[in-house]
Amino acid sequence: EPEVTQTPSHQVTQMGQEVILRCVPISNHLYFYWYRQILGQKVEFLVSFYNNEISEKSEIFDDQFSVERPDGSNFTLKIRSTKLEDSAMYFCASSEDRGLTETQYFGPGTRLLVL
Amino acid sequence: AQSVTQLGSHVSVSEGALVLLRCNYSSSVPPYLFWYVQYPNQGLQLLLKYTSAATLVKGINGFEAEFKKSETSFHLTKPSAHMSDAAEYFCAVSSNAGNMLTFGGGTRLMVKP
Repeated sequence: EPEVTQTPSHQVTQMGQEVILRCVPISNHLYFYWYRQILGQKVEFLVSFYNNEISEKSEIFDDQFSVERPDGSNFTLKIRSTKLEDSAMYFCASSEDRGLTETQYFGPGTRLLVL
Repeated sequence: AQSVTQLGSHVSVSEGALVLLRCNYSSSVPPYLFWYVQYPNQGLQLLLKYTSAATLVKGINGFEAEFKKSETSFHLTKPSAHMSDAAEYFCAVSSNAGNMLTFGGGTRLMVKP
């Protein structure tokens, strides 16, 4: 069964450093998402992406964040200058279509620790 | 704005007992609701979803949920818990805004032998 994959599974970085989290969505899916979950808190929406453009972004997704689909398979989340509060589990998801009832398929997540 | 509340961050049941995980939503428009499960070290996996076709929704692994508009609820149930059901369960609602999912806080289900 096709699945969303994410690399790395864990990343430790120093405050102020840039990190890139990578995702490979399911191959025929057109919509891509990033969510994050700070330890002990809710899973929160960051951004949705379609046709090489951001469709929607949350208040969390400020100028330090960016997303890109550099090629036909990868979808990346870049955090330019990491802060301690960016420590979280980051989930990538994809869906075949945009409808409100479309299932989003989630990857296993990347656990980011900022020191 | 839409929101989801899951009552009980931790629920413990005995193997073979009824599982009931609670989810209440707040939405100004007809909601579309989802239950996801997360096993350790894995991503979120869809259990079932409400799409307005039927109020009683059956999902994978013997789970089902009933949409009750009058109670603004979408509780998840399973008649008989199995040890393999131990996981974290998330209720979510989707919105027009970029298809974003708004999640509840999650409920960790523990199953005792």
